[in-house]
Amino acid sequence: DGGITQSPKYLFRKEGQNVTLSCEQNLNHDAMYWYRQDPGQGLRLIYYSQIVNDFQKGDIAEGYSVSREKKESFPLTVTSAQKNPTAFYLCASRWGQGNTGELFFGEGSRLTVL
Amino acid sequence: AQKITQTQPGMFVQEKEAVTLDCTYDTSDPSYGLFWYKQPSSGEMIFLIYQGSYDQQNATEGRYSLNFQKARKSANLVISASQLGDSAMYFCAMRGPTGNQFYFGTGTSLTVIP
Repeated sequence: DGGITQSPKYLFRKEGQNVTLSCEQNLNHDAMYWYRQDPGQGLRLIYYSQIVNDFQKGDIAEGYSVSREKKESFPLTVTSAQKNPTAFYLCASRWGQGNTGELFFGEGSRLTVL
Repeated sequence: AQKITQTQPGMFVQEKEAVTLDCTYDTSDPSYGLFWYKQPSSGEMIFLIYQGSYDQQNATEGRYSLNFQKARKSANLVISASQLGDSAMYFCAMRGPTGNQFYFGTGTSLTVIP
């Protein structure tokens, strides 16, 4: 079945370590997104990518990095520069360019910094 | 700047009753899209319903309907005949004119009481 797969579902990290969250989709969607969700807050955009080898910063990109080497994959690295990385991370994708299509989401990755 | 406001942090509804979840938005662009998503405790975001800014009629999807009042910039979600499985967080979101970014509200927690 088509969908978005995020891994790992739960991740623990020590302060000062970089971690990479995986996001893979087999929906043949062009655009992919990373959101961060904190308790009591909505989703905040970290990065998004409209096409392979191109991505743009969202509202809270500091301390994060991404790559888009393949259409299906959009990994997110949480670097040690991110001051408060404990959060729930959601990856999403969307069909189509421009003003069409809803976001499809993965099941999320919960990162805890110890 | 784009902005989504959900003023109800928590709502309760009796099973089989209807409930309205409020959402107002702020944009100066004539072209935009409005979405509602459901987030159960498991964390995944489930798309419920979509309304385009140029759509003349209110969107409906099964028990979900969107009360779109363009002049008031509101896009309230109405859930009819509530079920216990409707208990979840509900997020209103807006897609900007280019389709590249989606903006989310802070969500409303809905609890359905037996």
